[in-house]
Amino acid sequence: AQTVTQSQPEMSVQEAETVTLSCTYDTSESDYYLFWYKQPPSRQMILVIRQEAYKQQNATENRFSVNFQKAAKSFSLKISDSQLGDAAMYFCAYRSSYNTDKLIFGTGTRLQVFP
Amino acid sequence: DGGITQSPKYLFRKEGQNVTLSCEQNLNHDAMYWYRQDPGQGLRLIYYSQIVNDFQKGDIAEGYSVSREKKESFPLTVTSAQKNPTAFYLCASARPLGYGYTFGSGTRLTVV
Repeated sequence: AQTVTQSQPEMSVQEAETVTLSCTYDTSESDYYLFWYKQPPSRQMILVIRQEAYKQQNATENRFSVNFQKAAKSFSLKISDSQLGDAAMYFCAYRSSYNTDKLIFGTGTRLQVFP
Repeated sequence: DGGITQSPKYLFRKEGQNVTLSCEQNLNHDAMYWYRQDPGQGLRLIYYSQIVNDFQKGDIAEGYSVSREKKESFPLTVTSAQKNPTAFYLCASARPLGYGYTFGSGTRLTVV
């Protein structure tokens, strides 16, 4: 079974600085999708970024980018020019290409942003 | 605008009662999901449905039931058999093959 691990329960960053959130996963599949979701205090889950495993190029969405290391099964999220509104829980998630029954989540990282 | 609507936002249940959480989507997605969120445990899958009139148990289905009579609707019933139902419940829907989920705004259930 696939698992997703986020080893940083909490992280903090100064406004305008850069922070990296870590995520590792375990799978025997070769084709899959990885996601980062943001959950602000409103608790609404918001999709931040998506990576297709068969693509070597790292996904980027404005200030958010990933470092996808397929061999190492690592999928970190980098937030550049951090803003106060980036403060939230961040969840890493895995979705199989072969069995699309569910999204498997890590336990989350709480990000604090200080002015 | 398309989206997922969960209701109510807050729900209180007495011991021994069944309660039903509503989830409606107008995204024309085939698949729908129910997750439970507890502090420090991320999101855990309760039930999911990939087509109308069919659904499967997730990782923590005991004490819960669902139905999928319409494509747009996937209600979750928390039965009295669920021993620790106080949690935040999230409903989601998805397009097939590799797309992320779209989530509702959640229901906070508290046993009183």
